[in-house]
Amino acid sequence: NAGVTQTPKFQVLKTGQSMTLQCAQDMNHEYMSWYRQDPGMGLRLIHYSVGAGITDQGEVPNGYNVSRSTTEDFPLRLLSAAPSQTSVYFCASSPGRRGTEAFFGQGTRLTVV
Amino acid sequence: AQKVTQAQTEISVVEKEDVTLDCVYETRDTTYYLFWYKQPPSGELVFLIRRNSFDEQNEISGRYSWNFQKSTSSFNFTITASQVVDSAVYFCALSDWNTGGFKTIFGAGTRLFVKA
Repeated sequence: NAGVTQTPKFQVLKTGQSMTLQCAQDMNHEYMSWYRQDPGMGLRLIHYSVGAGITDQGEVPNGYNVSRSTTEDFPLRLLSAAPSQTSVYFCASSPGRRGTEAFFGQGTRLTVV
Repeated sequence: AQKVTQAQTEISVVEKEDVTLDCVYETRDTTYYLFWYKQPPSGELVFLIRRNSFDEQNEISGRYSWNFQKSTSSFNFTITASQVVDSAVYFCALSDWNTGGFKTIFGAGTRLFVKA
């Protein structure tokens, strides 16, 4: 059972480039999220999804797009990378709505130069 | 607005010492959930505990214990007889009653160093 799988693990982008961070879970979880982790700021929610076809913005959504066409996949797209998007990105999934914990992927370390 | 404050940025202890990690939260909701996660040096995030706002009972799991006090909006985490393997960043987190880990406010984290 792989859990939550994120690819790639590391990525360097040039300013202005676009890319997609992949996230897949094999636990049939309905709820999925993207967080970014920056030093001294903990994790901040970018976007989340409560089911296939349903997404919503979190705390820091600007510069990112998401879609959820299947239960398993929840890709995060950076439209035009900026140095401020240098961060570690975590994908998470949860089996239920109320009070269930998140299961996290291993993270993607992104550097924008 | 919801907020989680972990005022201790870094704590350094010697093995076998007890250590308490503080967590103070703010929310206007009367019902909510609180979580603790651990992030070891390898980088993954590991769930430790969940508490709902109705349950103020302290919880103990081996060397770990949690003290939830609604009156002071605190959810502190104590490690008894710390070990080198406890070295990690620990995050406290808060979600409202209708959500959970998929939509959570995290504190900034406390980095714990346990020296042999």
